[in-house]
Amino acid sequence: QKEVEQDPGPLSVPEGAIVSLNCTYSNSAFQYFMWYRQYSRKGPELLMYTYSSGNKEDGRFTAQVDKSSKYISLFIRDSQPSDSATYLCAMSARGVWGGYQKVTFGTGTKLQVIP
Amino acid sequence: GAGVSQTPSNKVTEKGKYVELRCDPISGHTALYWYRQSLGQGPEFLIYFQGTGAADDSGLPNDRFFAVRPEGSVSTLKIQRTERGDSAVYLCASSSSGAGTQYFGPGTRLTVL
Repeated sequence: QKEVEQDPGPLSVPEGAIVSLNCTYSNSAFQYFMWYRQYSRKGPELLMYTYSSGNKEDGRFTAQVDKSSKYISLFIRDSQPSDSATYLCAMSARGVWGGYQKVTFGTGTKLQVIP
Repeated sequence: GAGVSQTPSNKVTEKGKYVELRCDPISGHTALYWYRQSLGQGPEFLIYFQGTGAADDSGLPNDRFFAVRPEGSVSTLKIQRTERGDSAVYLCASSSSGAGTQYFGPGTRLTVL
């Protein structure tokens, strides 16, 4: 079983819809949670990060972490065609160097927003 | 300012050959990371450099893979005796410190025939 599970999709929604993406994980040492967006043939781009349980909002994006359930979510409001990409959840535990260097990614969910 | 750059963007080689993949991190970034992304999968951690030294190489799959960062800037990932299973996109990332946000390059797409 993988440490991080993510439904690969694809997920297809109409423009303006609310999108919900989520991941589950098994490693209770994970403390740093991230969402990356990856366009085709590009490197991942960090969207949001959080260090603890709870919600974090940034514009149309909201990240939620529930450490008791080992479940994280990303919500996209008023989705746009430009949001069409693969969304990767990622997480890491504190390493021996004191940071969160070794990042474990989910498989990614491919999102298509239809105009 | 320039982001992380990787060369070549594409590399096609034959089984058994040796390849080198290069990463130029963002100027001033002390931490550098290599990941491998197979088709339909998320990136998989390979190795992390802090300065010139490999602080964590636990993700390297076997001894055919080796990476260096001799001057604490540019890094080279070296793969000996390539196998078809090595075909993937090799991503490089850098951060201003070991705890900072990782910024990814576009990757090198390696195809082993």
